[in-house]
Parts: sequence; C-alpha cells; structure tokens
Amino acid sequence: AQSVTQPDIHITVSEGASLELRCNYSYGATPYLFWYVQSPGQGLQLLLKYFSGDTLVQGIKGFEAEFKRSQSSFNLRKPSVHWSDAAEYFCAVDRGDMRFGAGTRLTVKP
Amino acid sequence: DGGITQSPKYLFRKEGQNVTLSCEQNLNHDAMYWYRQDPGQGLRLIYYSQIVNDFQKGDIAEGYSVSREKKESFPLTVTSAQKNPTAFYLCASSMRSPYQETQYFGPGTRLLVL
Repeated sequence: AQSVTQPDIHITVSEGASLELRCNYSYGATPYLFWYVQSPGQGLQLLLKYFSGDTLVQGIKGFEAEFKRSQSSFNLRKPSVHWSDAAEYFCAVDRGDMRFGAGTRLTVKP
Repeated sequence: DGGITQSPKYLFRKEGQNVTLSCEQNLNHDAMYWYRQDPGQGLRLIYYSQIVNDFQKGDIAEGYSVSREKKESFPLTVTSAQKNPTAFYLCASSMRSPYQETQYFGPGTRLLVL
C-alpha cells in the first residue's frame, strides 16, 4: 500500500543544535514531496517542496530537505534550531492524492 | 491579504445535532479540501472539490457532507451520523487538481462534543 512514514513521534533537541526529521515513503514512482509545520492550534504552513531537479531543496525559516531516491526518503534538516521551531512537522506525498505522515513533534530545550 | 479563513475557531456540538464549519478562500483556487486531524494520526481527507458544483469523498466521508456552490466557499457539515466528531478540522485549497499543486491551509476549527 502507498504510504508515508515519519518514524519519530517526538524529538527533543537543545537550542542551537542541529535537527534532522525523517520521512520515508512507499510509492511505485517518485511522488511529489512536501514538508509542513504546524504550531499548536494552528493550520499547516508549507516549509518546502520537491517536484523534480536538484535533490537538495531549500525552504523557509532555514530548513532544507534532501530527496534520496534509493532510500525513498525526504528528510528535513536545520543546522541550528531556534526555540521558535518547536512545533509539529508533517511530511506529505502526492502521487494523485495527498497523503500525510502522522507527524513529528519537536521540543526545543533552552 | 489572500488566504483561507475558517470559522468558528471552536464549535460545540450537542448529541444528535448537525453543525456546519465554514471555509472561505480568496486565492482564486479551484480545488478545496477538508481534513480531519486526530492526535498521532496526521491528517485524513474527508472530502475534496476540484471545481464548483462537484466534490468527491475522501477516506473518511461517512457522517459528513459538503457543498460547493461558489468557488470561494466549501462548507462542511458534521451530521449526527458522525459518532466521534471531536477533532481538529482543517480546510485547504490549491490551484487546481491535487496532483502537483501545493495545498494552503486555513487556521482550523476545533469541534467538541457537549
């Protein structure tokens, strides 16, 4: 079955540390890939997306993601986390219909 | 400013009551969507509409109904048949069909049962 998986339900990092959030998908062909962020009680905001071309994608707020076809992954990274990055992060894939992962909640320690 | 508005922010439903959640967009987008969000389950698609006067069921349409009489508006009714309606409801829109297009989200409505 086609699906998108975020293996980590909750991650805690210290402010200033680097961050990597994992996303794996299982589709027959490369889907279109997205990362969204959601602050508590709010809607989702698009961080970045990958349709084709360069496999390293730059997004807003200093985030980037790398598409690795061989690993069916689209991991989100940030070199230095800020306290305001604490939120829930969703990976989504689109190959005819949009599917969301279950989300990873990020806590930032001072 | 262009965007998507949802109202109300909080909605309370009594048993056996139908309630309607509003979603309006001024982005001139053709497609609109309703998602339900429960803790630990991500977003699940309830209904979507690619053009006016047309809509399709998503994965969890039972107990819900929609209409799309205007391009800007896509209201969702939670009927009494939906036995577990407590959730966060998100509306989204995109330029055209779901394929390839980024979806933009409203701020959400939290539905609670009295």
